[in-house]
Amino acid sequence: GENVEQHPSTLSVQEGDSAVIKCTYSDSASNYFPWYKQELGKRPQLIIDIRSNVGEKKDQRIAVTLNKTAKHFSLHITETQPEDSAVYFCAAPLKTSYDKVIFGPGTSLSVIP
Amino acid sequence: DTGVSQDPRHKITKRGQNVTFRCDPISEHNRLYWYRQTLGQGPEFLTYFQNEAQLEKSRLLSDRFSAERPKGSFSTLEIQRTEQGDSAMYLCASSLALGTGSRDEQFFGPGTRLTVL
Repeated sequence: GENVEQHPSTLSVQEGDSAVIKCTYSDSASNYFPWYKQELGKRPQLIIDIRSNVGEKKDQRIAVTLNKTAKHFSLHITETQPEDSAVYFCAAPLKTSYDKVIFGPGTSLSVIP
Repeated sequence: DTGVSQDPRHKITKRGQNVTFRCDPISEHNRLYWYRQTLGQGPEFLTYFQNEAQLEKSRLLSDRFSAERPKGSFSTLEIQRTEQGDSAMYLCASSLALGTGSRDEQFFGPGTRLTVL
């Protein structure tokens, strides 16, 4: 079936701490895994993505790790700042006759100053 | 502004009326997606186009919903006989797909917020 799950649904961290959000998917053929950030009242924006031929990708304070065997990938944010507060969505494309992207339900991250 | 634009940004309508939304993608992008987002949820896939061809439509989409992209540029999403359950944010996104698969960054528009009274 088509299913993308995310955990936790809400996350509060102190400024400077790390935050980890995990996403699981059901379609073993998925090969591209993006993470989007949506601030309140704004549009989703891509912050990082990973393709299935690598296990980890890092961009400054954010990183994504992929475990294809277990069918999950995680977003890691280090040295969190108040402006990291937002809803984060993972997504995975599914191999149907043509691809489409399924988004997870989102994780609301609050960084407490 | 060279990003994805949507019009209108807000629409209030009475139940039973028809509404039409427009999306203008980034000009060189060949893929265009429509999503629906309700409060506290992720974007829910509705349909997508590669150029002017509508490649897939969600099973969740009733026959009251129709989308077009006649010239492979802008797209319209029409909802007929609106219901209160149609109230949501309707997001459009575009991408430049260089091959099969949606392995390309999607750029979202600001959305059209629909309220059905």
